[in-house]
Amino acid sequence: AQSVTQPDIHITVSEGASLELRCNYSYGATPYLFWYVQSPGQGLQLLLKYFSGDTLVQGIKGFEAEFKRSQSSFNLRKPSVHWSDAAEYFCVLTNAGKSTFGDGTTLTVKP
Amino acid sequence: DSGVTQTPKHLITATGQRVTLRCSPRSGDLSVYWYQQSLDQGLQFLIQYYNGEERAKGNILERFSAQQFPDLHSELNLSSLELGDSALYFCASSSGSNNEQFFGPGTRLTVL
Repeated sequence: AQSVTQPDIHITVSEGASLELRCNYSYGATPYLFWYVQSPGQGLQLLLKYFSGDTLVQGIKGFEAEFKRSQSSFNLRKPSVHWSDAAEYFCVLTNAGKSTFGDGTTLTVKP
Repeated sequence: DSGVTQTPKHLITATGQRVTLRCSPRSGDLSVYWYQQSLDQGLQFLIQYYNGEERAKGNILERFSAQQFPDLHSELNLSSLELGDSALYFCASSSGSNNEQFFGPGTRLTVL
């Protein structure tokens, strides 16, 4: 069975500070991994994806993520957070059409 | 704007009733997915259709059913509604089973 764990329910960072959101997965083969962001009252927007190849993937809004097979992780990073990044972030694993979402990490940005 | 549309935006109904949620995928996308998002369960995958056929099934209750029509729009039918069915229901579409999904704005269902 596949699973996704986001260990941090809530993270607070100051504007301009760096950010790392953790994601660990459990799956037998090479996974299809995604990060989505959900702003309050909005649908989900894709930030980036990993299928294969280069383990460091770039996404929109200055986000990047690194796939580490040895650690079963796919952590999301941003070097300098903006107030507009405050939202909920979901790590997702997809296999044969079935998607498993992590519980999400809520990001608060302090001025 | 993701290109995925969902109607209605809000729905308020009573326990025991039946409702239908509608989703139109992005132009060209053959796959449609349904999700339920609630405070206690988080985001749960319900079901996927690909070009009219059921492709993958998640935590979908027997009281719930879905279908995808020849024009590729999809409907999620929820029957014998309970208070616990109150949630945000999202539809998403993609061009293939493991490709990125584009989410609609959701339908907020309130069961009183």
